Amino acid sequence: RKEVEQDPGPFNVPEGATVAFNCTYSNSASQSFFWYRQDCRKEPKLLMSVYSSGNEDGRFTAQLNRASQYISLLIRDSKLSDSATYLCVVKQTGANNLFFGTGTRLTVIP
Amino acid sequence: NAGVTQTPKFRILKIGQSMTLQCTQDMNHNYMYWYRQDPGMGLKLIYYSVGAGITDKGEVPNGYNVSRSTTEDFPLRLELAAPSQTSVYFCASSYYWSHGYQETQYFGPGTRLLVL
Repeated sequence: RKEVEQDPGPFNVPEGATVAFNCTYSNSASQSFFWYRQDCRKEPKLLMSVYSSGNEDGRFTAQLNRASQYISLLIRDSKLSDSATYLCVVKQTGANNLFFGTGTRLTVIP
Repeated sequence: NAGVTQTPKFRILKIGQSMTLQCTQDMNHNYMYWYRQDPGMGLKLIYYSVGAGITDKGEVPNGYNVSRSTTEDFPLRLELAAPSQTSVYFCASSYYWSHGYQETQYFGPGTRLLVL
């Protein structure tokens, strides 16, 4: 079983739409959670960390459900510039590295 | 700060050739990592280092070697290139605090390697 699983998409949504991505992780000892964004042929960049109580950064909202081992990312009022691949990332307690999902591809259409 | 830099950006190798992918960071990060990313796949950890002189294997270390003689540099060595090593290679770094908090990883722009 993969450490982190995501729906690969692609998600094609019109500008202004709300879109949600989901991610599940297999190790209950996971302690830190992140969403990274990766543009085509570019390196991954941190979008936001995910906190237990949920957190919001502008149009982006992240949620964590430890009981279900589930993470979500909600994007409101989608912009063309949101088109990218969104990577779910998990750090396990005691581990020195991060585990990456395969990513969910989003295309925002004019 | 330049952040994490990688060279070369792109390279074509013949089967059996060797090369070194260079990675340098100027953020005084203690942790450094090498990942590979195959098309449609997530990043896989090759090797990592928690400080100068200390390296450890990741998920897919076979066919690679690393060294960490300074805080800034973390080169990745391919000794006998194989077509299966065709991939995009990302170097990353982060700071790990002694009380257990690890800051986010910063990635370099990547090296695209094609082995023919």
